[in-house]
Amino acid sequence: EAEVAQSPRYKITEKSQAVAFWCDPISGHATLYWYRQILGQGPELLVQFQDESVVDDSQLPKDRFSAERLKGVDSTLKIQPAELGDSAMYLCASSLVGGRSSGNTIYFGEGSWLTVV
Amino acid sequence: GDSVTQMEGPVTLSEEAFLTINCTYTATGYPSLFWYVQYPGEGLQLLLKATKADDKGSNKGFEATYRKETTSFHLEKGSVQVSDSAVYFCALIPGYSSASKIIFGSGTRLSIRP
Repeated sequence: EAEVAQSPRYKITEKSQAVAFWCDPISGHATLYWYRQILGQGPELLVQFQDESVVDDSQLPKDRFSAERLKGVDSTLKIQPAELGDSAMYLCASSLVGGRSSGNTIYFGEGSWLTVV
Repeated sequence: GDSVTQMEGPVTLSEEAFLTINCTYTATGYPSLFWYVQYPGEGLQLLLKATKADDKGSNKGFEATYRKETTSFHLEKGSVQVSDSAVYFCALIPGYSSASKIIFGSGTRLSIRP
Protein backbone atom coordinates (compact mmCIF):
# COMPACT_ATOMS: atom_id res chain seq x y z
CA GLU A 1 0.00 0.00 0.00
CA ALA A 2 1.33 3.45 -0.92
CA GLU A 3 2.47 5.61 1.97
CA VAL A 4 3.37 9.18 2.77
CA ALA A 5 7.14 9.26 3.32
CA GLN A 6 8.76 11.65 5.79
CA SER A 7 12.31 12.27 6.93
CA PRO A 8 14.04 12.50 9.26
CA ARG A 9 12.06 10.49 11.84
CA TYR A 10 13.90 12.12 14.72
CA LYS A 11 15.79 15.39 14.95
CA ILE A 12 17.46 17.08 17.90
CA THR A 13 18.58 20.63 17.31
CA GLU A 14 19.80 23.50 19.42
CA LYS A 15 17.78 26.62 19.93
CA SER A 16 18.33 29.22 17.19
CA GLN A 17 19.51 26.64 14.67
CA ALA A 18 17.75 25.83 11.41
CA VAL A 19 15.93 22.55 10.80
CA ALA A 20 14.14 21.11 7.79
CA PHE A 21 11.70 18.26 7.23
CA TRP A 22 10.92 16.54 3.96
CA CYS A 23 7.74 14.86 2.78
CA ASP A 24 6.88 12.78 -0.28
CA PRO A 25 3.12 12.31 -0.60
CA ILE A 26 1.31 9.35 -2.09
CA SER A 27 1.78 9.38 -5.85
CA GLY A 28 -0.94 11.35 -7.61
CA HIS A 29 -2.15 13.16 -4.51
CA ALA A 30 -2.66 16.80 -5.34
CA THR A 31 -3.21 18.06 -1.81
CA LEU A 32 -0.44 18.05 0.79
CA TYR A 33 -0.68 19.12 4.42
CA TRP A 34 1.79 19.83 7.20
CA TYR A 35 0.45 19.40 10.74
CA ARG A 36 2.12 19.99 14.09
CA GLN A 37 1.25 17.76 17.03
CA ILE A 38 2.34 18.78 20.49
CA LEU A 39 2.61 15.87 22.94
CA GLY A 40 -0.79 15.04 24.40
CA GLN A 41 -2.74 17.10 21.89
CA GLY A 42 -4.38 16.61 18.53
CA PRO A 43 -2.63 17.69 15.31
CA GLU A 44 -3.06 21.27 14.13
CA LEU A 45 -2.78 22.36 10.52
CA LEU A 46 0.24 24.51 9.66
CA VAL A 47 -0.03 24.70 5.88
CA GLN A 48 -2.00 23.16 3.03
CA PHE A 49 -0.90 22.93 -0.61
CA GLN A 50 -2.98 22.28 -3.69
CA ASP A 51 -0.38 21.18 -6.24
CA GLU A 52 2.38 23.79 -5.84
CA SER A 53 0.16 26.54 -4.44
CA VAL A 54 -0.47 27.37 -0.81
CA VAL A 55 -4.21 27.37 -0.08
CA ASP A 56 -4.10 27.78 3.71
CA ASP A 57 -1.18 28.95 5.83
CA SER A 58 -3.16 30.95 8.34
CA GLN A 59 -1.69 29.03 11.30
CA LEU A 60 1.90 28.98 10.07
CA PRO A 61 4.23 31.20 12.16
CA LYS A 62 5.66 32.94 9.13
CA ASP A 63 8.38 34.77 11.00
CA ARG A 64 10.24 31.48 11.47
CA PHE A 65 8.44 28.78 9.49
CA SER A 66 8.42 28.34 5.73
CA ALA A 67 7.09 25.62 3.47
CA GLU A 68 7.44 24.93 -0.21
CA ARG A 69 6.27 22.43 -2.77
CA LEU A 70 8.06 23.66 -5.84
CA LYS A 71 7.07 21.03 -8.38
CA GLY A 72 3.79 20.07 -6.80
CA VAL A 73 5.11 16.74 -5.57
CA ASP A 74 7.39 16.58 -2.51
CA SER A 75 7.55 19.31 0.08
CA THR A 76 9.92 20.82 2.63
CA LEU A 77 9.04 22.49 5.92
CA LYS A 78 11.74 24.69 7.42
CA ILE A 79 12.11 26.30 10.83
CA GLN A 80 14.66 29.05 11.34
CA PRO A 81 15.50 29.84 14.04
CA ALA A 82 14.14 26.96 16.10
CA GLU A 83 12.73 27.75 19.54
CA LEU A 84 12.17 25.50 22.54
CA GLY A 85 8.40 25.64 21.99
CA ASP A 86 8.79 24.12 18.54
CA SER A 87 9.45 20.69 20.07
CA ALA A 88 6.68 18.54 18.63
CA MET A 89 5.87 15.94 16.00
CA TYR A 90 5.54 17.31 12.48
CA LEU A 91 3.15 15.28 10.41
CA CYS A 92 2.81 15.36 6.65
CA ALA A 93 -0.39 14.17 5.02
CA SER A 94 -1.83 13.97 1.53
CA SER A 95 -5.15 13.46 -0.19
CA LEU A 96 -6.21 12.78 -3.74
CA VAL A 97 -8.21 15.92 -4.19
CA GLY A 98 -8.77 19.18 -2.40
CA GLY A 99 -12.21 20.34 -1.43
CA ARG A 100 -14.83 18.26 0.26
CA SER A 101 -15.94 15.31 -1.76
CA SER A 102 -17.56 12.11 -0.74
CA GLY A 103 -14.89 9.64 0.23
CA ASN A 104 -12.02 12.12 0.30
CA THR A 105 -9.55 10.74 2.81
CA ILE A 106 -6.38 12.25 4.23
CA TYR A 107 -3.43 9.86 4.73
CA PHE A 108 -0.66 10.62 7.20
CA GLY A 109 3.03 9.82 7.27
CA GLU A 110 4.90 8.45 10.29
CA GLY A 111 5.86 11.92 11.44
CA SER A 112 9.10 13.69 12.28
CA TRP A 113 9.88 14.19 15.95
CA LEU A 114 11.65 17.46 16.72
CA THR A 115 13.36 18.18 20.03
CA VAL A 116 14.81 21.65 20.50
CA VAL A 117 17.37 21.92 23.30
CA GLY B 1 -16.35 27.41 14.12
CA ASP B 2 -16.08 23.73 13.38
CA SER B 3 -14.80 21.60 16.24
CA VAL B 4 -14.59 18.09 17.68
CA THR B 5 -14.96 17.14 21.34
CA GLN B 6 -13.81 13.77 22.66
CA MET B 7 -14.09 12.16 26.04
CA GLU B 8 -11.00 12.75 28.08
CA GLY B 9 -8.66 9.91 28.80
CA PRO B 10 -6.93 7.92 29.76
CA VAL B 11 -9.36 5.06 29.42
CA THR B 12 -8.17 1.82 31.00
CA LEU B 13 -9.97 -1.46 30.33
CA SER B 14 -9.34 -5.15 30.77
CA GLU B 15 -8.87 -7.36 27.73
CA GLU B 16 -12.18 -8.45 26.13
CA ALA B 17 -14.10 -5.55 27.68
CA PHE B 18 -16.54 -3.43 25.66
CA LEU B 19 -15.19 -0.08 24.49
CA THR B 20 -16.96 3.21 23.88
CA ILE B 21 -15.11 6.46 23.18
CA ASN B 22 -17.51 9.37 22.86
CA CYS B 23 -17.13 12.00 20.15
CA THR B 24 -19.39 14.93 19.37
CA TYR B 25 -18.91 17.63 16.78
CA THR B 26 -19.94 21.13 15.82
CA ALA B 27 -19.89 21.82 12.12
CA THR B 28 -21.49 23.73 9.29
CA GLY B 29 -23.52 21.62 6.93
CA TYR B 30 -22.73 17.95 6.56
CA PRO B 31 -19.15 17.11 7.51
CA SER B 32 -17.31 13.87 6.83
CA LEU B 33 -16.31 12.11 10.05
CA PHE B 34 -13.24 10.03 10.83
CA TRP B 35 -11.52 8.04 13.55
CA TYR B 36 -7.73 7.89 13.43
CA VAL B 37 -5.49 5.76 15.66
CA GLN B 38 -1.94 6.61 16.74
CA TYR B 39 0.26 3.88 18.18
CA PRO B 40 3.22 4.94 20.37
CA GLY B 41 5.87 6.82 18.42
CA GLU B 42 4.01 6.54 15.12
CA GLY B 43 1.93 8.72 12.82
CA LEU B 44 -1.82 8.63 12.43
CA GLN B 45 -3.59 5.75 10.72
CA LEU B 46 -7.11 6.02 9.39
CA LEU B 47 -9.29 3.59 11.34
CA LEU B 48 -12.73 4.26 9.83
CA LYS B 49 -14.86 6.97 8.30
CA ALA B 50 -18.43 7.97 7.46
CA THR B 51 -19.45 10.58 4.95
CA LYS B 52 -23.18 11.02 5.49
CA ALA B 53 -25.82 10.72 8.18
CA ASP B 54 -26.62 7.18 9.38
CA ASP B 55 -23.52 5.75 7.67
CA LYS B 56 -21.63 3.22 9.78
CA GLY B 57 -17.87 3.02 9.42
CA SER B 58 -16.17 -0.19 10.51
CA ASN B 59 -12.69 -1.69 10.55
CA LYS B 60 -10.76 -4.22 12.68
CA GLY B 61 -13.80 -4.77 14.91
CA PHE B 62 -14.29 -1.06 15.56
CA GLU B 63 -17.52 0.69 14.54
CA ALA B 64 -18.90 4.21 14.59
CA THR B 65 -22.24 5.53 13.31
CA TYR B 66 -22.74 9.06 11.99
CA ARG B 67 -25.63 10.47 14.07
CA LYS B 68 -26.71 13.85 12.76
CA GLU B 69 -29.52 14.27 15.28
CA THR B 70 -27.08 14.05 18.19
CA THR B 71 -24.02 15.34 16.25
CA SER B 72 -22.08 12.32 17.45
CA PHE B 73 -19.70 9.69 16.08
CA HIS B 74 -18.94 7.42 19.04
CA LEU B 75 -16.32 4.69 18.58
CA GLU B 76 -17.20 1.19 19.81
CA LYS B 77 -15.60 -2.23 19.92
CA GLY B 78 -17.16 -5.33 21.42
CA SER B 79 -14.00 -6.97 22.76
CA VAL B 80 -10.76 -5.05 23.06
CA GLN B 81 -7.27 -6.53 22.91
CA VAL B 82 -3.97 -5.41 24.40
CA SER B 83 -2.87 -4.48 20.87
CA ASP B 84 -5.64 -1.85 20.75
CA SER B 85 -3.73 0.29 23.25
CA ALA B 86 -3.15 3.59 21.46
CA VAL B 87 -4.43 7.15 21.20
CA TYR B 88 -7.67 7.56 19.25
CA PHE B 89 -8.57 10.80 17.47
CA CYS B 90 -12.00 11.77 16.25
CA ALA B 91 -11.90 14.19 13.32
CA LEU B 92 -13.99 15.91 10.69
CA ILE B 93 -13.71 17.59 7.33
CA PRO B 94 -16.23 20.45 7.27
CA GLY B 95 -19.25 20.34 5.05
CA TYR B 96 -18.79 23.47 2.98
CA SER B 97 -17.56 22.87 -0.54
CA SER B 98 -14.27 24.71 -0.29
CA ALA B 99 -13.17 22.96 2.86
CA SER B 100 -10.67 20.16 2.82
CA LYS B 101 -8.60 20.46 5.97
CA ILE B 102 -9.23 17.96 8.72
CA ILE B 103 -10.00 19.13 12.25
CA PHE B 104 -9.05 16.85 15.14
CA GLY B 105 -10.25 16.33 18.66
CA SER B 106 -7.70 16.26 21.45
CA GLY B 107 -7.39 12.48 21.45
CA THR B 108 -8.28 9.74 23.93
CA ARG B 109 -5.55 7.47 25.26
CA LEU B 110 -6.69 3.85 25.61
CA SER B 111 -4.80 1.31 27.70
CA ILE B 112 -5.81 -2.35 27.76
CA ARG B 113 -4.73 -4.58 30.65
CA PRO B 114 -4.01 -8.26 29.91
